[in-house]
Amino acid sequence: QQPVQSPQAVILREGEDAVINCSSSKALYSVHWYRQKHGEAPVFLMILLKGGEQKGHDKISASFNEKKQQSSLYLTASQLSYSGTYFCGTAHYGNNRLAFGKGNQVVVIP
Amino acid sequence: GAGVSQSPRYKVAKRGQDVALRCDPISGHVSLFWYQQALGQGPEFLTYFQNEAQLDKSGLPSDRFFAERPEGSVSTLKIQRTQQEDSAVYLCASSQAGHYGYTFGSGTRLTVV
Repeated sequence: QQPVQSPQAVILREGEDAVINCSSSKALYSVHWYRQKHGEAPVFLMILLKGGEQKGHDKISASFNEKKQQSSLYLTASQLSYSGTYFCGTAHYGNNRLAFGKGNQVVVIP
Repeated sequence: GAGVSQSPRYKVAKRGQDVALRCDPISGHVSLFWYQQALGQGPEFLTYFQNEAQLDKSGLPSDRFFAERPEGSVSTLKIQRTQQEDSAVYLCASSQAGHYGYTFGSGTRLTVV
């Protein structure tokens, strides 16, 4: 079951903050976040396993609300290097594979 | 190795031709996944191996697609009688056992003409 990501695209200036979201219609066991730059492989950012868990990677953090079956990724004080497409991958109970959403395109401009 | 290695990087195949795509995962990674990524889309699951066992092949789109990992390390994705709709980037990813992040390879871009 493919998760839904929103918004589809975000444009922000260097130093600004943004939030991107990922939601599923099925109960989630874990949520992964990846960033992919054009023509490159997706790069792992973080995995969230528990309800309400928050994690951080540099100035990028994420939360996972197991009850609401959704996760949010917070880009704080954005840098030019944050530009790319962010994919969430969701895993469900009893299933080892990740289902990826269509992605959130993030463009950070100077 | 240091990362997941895929070859070839690019493949152009004539419609009806068979192709074989190779994935060399990170040494010691138990889990190996194949995904298909169309332009502007997220990766779509194809199949999953734990060591040499193919535990899930529910994402393979047709019986023209076949994957193997005979010794629990290198994996090959084979597509027989390629069709235009098979054109995509094929990504391989590996991870440690349990709930860890995936390390993706750079992918093989397959173009069927």
